[in-house]
Amino acid sequence: EAQVTQNPRYLITVTGKKLTVTCSQNMNHEYMSWYRQDPGLGLRQIYYSMNVEVTDKGDVPEGYKVSRKEKRNFPLILESPSPNQTSLYFCASSLDRDYEAFFGQGTRLTVV
Amino acid sequence: KQEVTQIPAALSVPEGENLVLNCSFTDSAIYNLQWFRQDPGKGLTSLLLIQSSQREQTSGRLNASLDKSSGRSTLYIAASQPGDSATYLCAVKTNFGNEKLTFGTGTRLTIIP
Repeated sequence: EAQVTQNPRYLITVTGKKLTVTCSQNMNHEYMSWYRQDPGLGLRQIYYSMNVEVTDKGDVPEGYKVSRKEKRNFPLILESPSPNQTSLYFCASSLDRDYEAFFGQGTRLTVV
Repeated sequence: KQEVTQIPAALSVPEGENLVLNCSFTDSAIYNLQWFRQDPGKGLTSLLLIQSSQREQTSGRLNASLDKSSGRSTLYIAASQPGDSATYLCAVKTNFGNEKLTFGTGTRLTIIP
């Protein structure tokens, strides 16, 4: 089954404790992105990648890192999480810019 | 800067009725527009993708239209069912290079049995 898989689905952590949210797609897609969803603000892009080793900032990259060492994986790293990074995070992938985007099930992160 | 608006924020209709959800965007230079549904606690499910050169797309009871010049799209749902209750999001991919989808804040649809 074609899918985007995120782990974990739920995470509660403390301020400053490094964490990684994994994202994997099995569709051989070139493009991958991370979004966060906040009430009243909608979904906003954090980072994106157009291919292996090619990543760039989206609208809200501060406090986040990404890497794209393999085509299928695009982990989101929070080096020192803060409470304002409490949010619902989504990973997305698409074959190319003209194709539909597929989203993972989301990761609900709470930073206390 | 692209901005996407969805009005109303919430909508309740009796089961069986046809309904229309609206989406407007400010920059007509788009690659495509995509409609999603989001169920509570779940991810986004893609419903329809309309390329910038297309006027409409259909999938089952769903029909999405696109009028690029006026910056509008509609999602028509025929013969609504309780299972259609969800939040519907539209998103546009704009013609500059970062692959970003710009989302509206959604319309929360409730179908009343």
